[in-house]
Amino acid sequence: QSALTQPPSASGSPGQSVTISCTGTSSDVGGYNSVSWYQQHPGKAPKLIISEVSKWPSGVPDRFSGSKSGNTASLTVSGLQAEDEADYYCGSYAGSHAGSHSWVFGGGTKLTVL
Amino acid sequence: QVQLQQSGPGLVKPSQTLSLTCAISGDSVSSNSAAWNWIRQSPSRGLEWLGRTYYRSKWNNDYAISVKSRITINPDTSKNQFSLQLKSVTPEDTAVYFCAREEAGSGSFEYWGQGTLVTVSS
Repeated sequence: QSALTQPPSASGSPGQSVTISCTGTSSDVGGYNSVSWYQQHPGKAPKLIISEVSKWPSGVPDRFSGSKSGNTASLTVSGLQAEDEADYYCGSYAGSHAGSHSWVFGGGTKLTVL
Repeated sequence: QVQLQQSGPGLVKPSQTLSLTCAISGDSVSSNSAAWNWIRQSPSRGLEWLGRTYYRSKWNNDYAISVKSRITINPDTSKNQFSLQLKSVTPEDTAVYFCAREEAGSGSFEYWGQGTLVTVSS
């Protein structure tokens, strides 16, 4: 069981917008502005698409946007394209325990472009 | 452009030690603005952060509580790489293992290795 909760699936038609949620606690998502989102195609490594809740890494289109409210972060994919079909994971810094920093991830959401 | 190239065996016997290496190009393992992480992925556990090593005037490590008693992550400055050792493995340690670079302070992993499927089986 993953530390952060994501819906297992989401879908939308080309051109539409889809939002994926990521729910944690005040010890991770709610406690820090270190939420990140990753896109993963089959057989590939995850690709960072949003860092620090809402920042775009270089080269990532602004069709991807992130936000956070309380203990829940969200990823919105606007103007859906066929190549957006992939698994999406959220991640968050989870503080320091017994002197050691830690990170947690969500279980992933499979996005289908209809 | 940072690139991470993983190497290591894909099959490990139960109770033995899993060892993987991540070679860095385009950056330095001794960089003061990066941390070097190991993350694994399996169908049963999803993505799981395992630990990291980083240099800030001295070498530091952080490890996930779930593997803290079994894991070691070491830098190798002569080869500009870092390694993962996981002792006493069981079939539950079967996963795809990734190395990844974290930009200091961002809490996110921008560069990833290609992944190595490690199967624990006799």
